Amino acid sequence: GEDVEQSLFLSVREGDSSVINCTYTDSSSTYLYWYKQEPGAGLQLLTYIFSNMDMKQDQRLTVLLNKKDKHLSLRIADTQTGDSAIYFCAESMRGSQGNLIFGKGTKLSVKP
Amino acid sequence: DVKVTQSSRYLVKRTGEKVFLECVQDMDHENMFWYRQDPGLGLRLIYFSYDVKMKEKGDIPEGYSVSREKKERFSLILESASTNQTSMYLCASSRPGTQPYEKLFFGSGTQLSVL
Repeated sequence: GEDVEQSLFLSVREGDSSVINCTYTDSSSTYLYWYKQEPGAGLQLLTYIFSNMDMKQDQRLTVLLNKKDKHLSLRIADTQTGDSAIYFCAESMRGSQGNLIFGKGTKLSVKP
Repeated sequence: DVKVTQSSRYLVKRTGEKVFLECVQDMDHENMFWYRQDPGLGLRLIYFSYDVKMKEKGDIPEGYSVSREKKERFSLILESASTNQTSMYLCASSRPGTQPYEKLFFGSGTQLSVL
């Protein structure tokens, strides 16, 4: 079945870049997403990329997609303590009617 | 501002109790979802609904049921709570067709402890 894999923890120093990686299994995925969950809160859509794109940049965020390897990454430039959160990779498939498949989440810790 | 509201932030129940988790959205969304979130397991879909009175099983429906009598409200029911249902429960909603990608709006979650 469909599966989304990502490492569980990442620790970086403030000001460094963070790279969170994700692999997915379903090649029919139309969109891939990054959701962010801050402590004590629900998830919020951070960014997304259409499956025919290789890269998307949005201010400090860069999303890279390698369709051949089914690999998605999220790069956060100049990481701040406010970026500490759990980041979830997710995919949606054609005809899924809104049902996303989420990874287990990567907990990003930013040290001052 | 769009909102998905879950009725309780923290809930403590005893084994065997019937538990209702309520979720209300004010965005007139057709789709609503219930997930549970456990450390190391991420989000797992319990049930979802595409419209009033419609429901579909997710990946882990056992021990749960749902009710969608009104468009804005989606209830998760634990018929007889068990300790392995201790978890964070997240409700979400979305409107299909407004954009090509899926944007889920999440509530803040209900941390349920079953003793």
